[in-house]
Order: sequence, then structure tokens, then C-alpha cells
Amino acid sequence: QITLKESGPTLVKPTQTLTLTCTFSGFSLSTSGVGVGWIRQPPGEALEWLALIYWDDDKRYSPSLRSRLTITKDTSKNQVVLTMTNMDPVDTATYFCVHKSMYSIAAFDYWGQGTLLTVSS
Amino acid sequence: EIVMTQSPVTLSVSPGERATLSCRASQSVGGSLAWYQHKPGQAPRFLIYGASTRATGVPARFSGRGSGTEFTLTISSLQSEDFAVYYCHQYNNWPYTFGQGTRLEI
Repeated sequence: QITLKESGPTLVKPTQTLTLTCTFSGFSLSTSGVGVGWIRQPPGEALEWLALIYWDDDKRYSPSLRSRLTITKDTSKNQVVLTMTNMDPVDTATYFCVHKSMYSIAAFDYWGQGTLLTVSS
Repeated sequence: EIVMTQSPVTLSVSPGERATLSCRASQSVGGSLAWYQHKPGQAPRFLIYGASTRATGVPARFSGRGSGTEFTLTISSLQSEDFAVYYCHQYNNWPYTFGQGTRLEI
């Protein structure tokens, strides 16, 4: 059974750096084709894909946020970490961790419950 | 970036009726189109991938069609638990993108 869980602060101040951790189980990020990514949803708005890291350490970023994002993995801990610099109130959102397997379904088939982040001074 | 446009923004339907939601891509995404159902406070629920394949455990009343730039999600007989926001998502080209959602309301 695949599960993902997001963890991190619930509140950060503008200009600070955000670090979110996705801890997962039921699969390995060393398996060929597997990827873990991040998606966010500001209150009342649509879903926005942010970043994805694959089993081979290939990384993809949203072009609009690329300069602020870094995604890394720790395969031994079953964790993926997303850092976002220079936080702004517009970054207030629920952040979801997601799984995909490019050689099977390929879409984001498993999601974490999400973690709500508020950016405010 | 591929822009995904969903219509209508809001769809009002009665339980037991059929609902058809549309999604248009600004350029072809082939068959790399997924649909998600989202309720407040919950993780989005994975419904459809490959434009027309139901995910595990998704009831047969949900069906997806289309390819290229035009896609539809049909719910054949609406149940009370189906009222939610539905998003389409293309995973054919980077950056991956989502539609703005269709709110399905009673």
C-alpha cells in the first residue's frame, strides 16, 4: 500500500526559506521509473505542479518557480525534500506530495493528505 | 506551457442525472490526460488516466473520453458523494499543468 505524508511548518514569514518533507512508504525511489513530486493549491484556486524528482535523480521544476525551488531525495529514508526560497504571502497554499511511475500509469496516482502553509509576518 | 481550459466553471445537476465535464488543451497532449476529484480538506482522488482508463476502485459511472486537445469526463448517474471539484491534468509535456477546475454542485 502506497502512502505519502507531508511535514513542515504551518507558518513562515515573508523572505524566509520553506522546507517541506515528504515521507513515503509502499514503494522505493530507487525503482526504475518512479518519481515523487509536489503540487500546491492556494485557497480557492486551482492545483499547481511545482517539482518532481525521479529515481535516477532527474529533476523537473515549474518554470515560473524554478529559481526558488530545490527538490532532493534520500532514498534510504524514503523521503523527498522541497525547499522554496524567498517566501511570499502568495505562496500560502496546501502543499501535496505525489507519486508517479512513468512506466505504468504515468499520472500522479497517489497523493498525500496535504499540509497547509501560511506565509505571513 | 500547455494551458488546460475546463468548462463549465460550475455545473449544477440533480442526483441521478448525467454530468459531462469538458477539458481542452492548448496543444495536443495525446492521451496523457488524467482527471481528479477534489473535496475540501481531502487529497485529490485519482479517477482517470490515459484519458479513458479508470483508476483502481473508481465506479463504472465515471468515464473519460478524448485525445489530442479535447477531453470529457462523464458521470452517468450522479450520486451525492460525486459533488465536488474536478480537475483535468496533462502529463504529456513539461511543465505539467492542471485545468482551473469544474465545480459540480447540486
